[in-house]
Amino acid sequence: GAGVSQSPSNKVTEKGKDVELRCDPISGHTALYWYRQSLGQGLEFLIYFQGNSAPDKSGLPSDRFSAERTGGSVSTLTIQRTQQEDSAVYLCASSLGGPEQFFGPGTRLTVL
Amino acid sequence: KQEVTQIPAALSVPEGENLVLNCSFTDSAIYNLQWFRQDPGKGLTSLLLIQSSQREQTSGRLNASLDKSSGRSTLYIAASQPGDSATYLCAVKNDYKLSFGAGTTVTVRA
Repeated sequence: GAGVSQSPSNKVTEKGKDVELRCDPISGHTALYWYRQSLGQGLEFLIYFQGNSAPDKSGLPSDRFSAERTGGSVSTLTIQRTQQEDSAVYLCASSLGGPEQFFGPGTRLTVL
Repeated sequence: KQEVTQIPAALSVPEGENLVLNCSFTDSAIYNLQWFRQDPGKGLTSLLLIQSSQREQTSGRLNASLDKSSGRSTLYIAASQPGDSATYLCAVKNDYKLSFGAGTTVTVRA
């Protein structure tokens, strides 16, 4: 597609359930990023994938969070045993490794 | 750790007035600085990107300056319009990560 796409656009789940968020980067982009935007917290970096290199997971807030990128394209962010503080907008971005990152529309996660 | 601050947090102006949004950052070893626009419930739209070697960038009514040594950037929006109402985010790039400010929410009154 023309831009970064994310699904679902909205997700409501119950505390303790697992969720999967999907990101389709721009075709050909080798770098993929996940960010989280929490109310009152601003945007924070979660994880970075670059080609076949080991991902930088330094921003993941706990071991309940994990992400994978299959075939150097689609990425899935998984949150296990969701907590209310996980409620946020999760944004994905991709780039060719150059200066600019292109963002998707985000997934709004609400944990009840 | 890079800290990015945006002032003011919110701004309300009448249509036609010029807007001045400020961004400051603590670590001047940046690759670039990017200004984004975010509309409610939407993702981020890139407005301007300034490389660390540049002093400013312009696009239409938008002009952004960068003073890397002092850790400051300013976004100017000339002759504001109601359609400019949004949240504006400043982000600096160290290595590959972007560090964001909390944003300035702008309301342009018709």
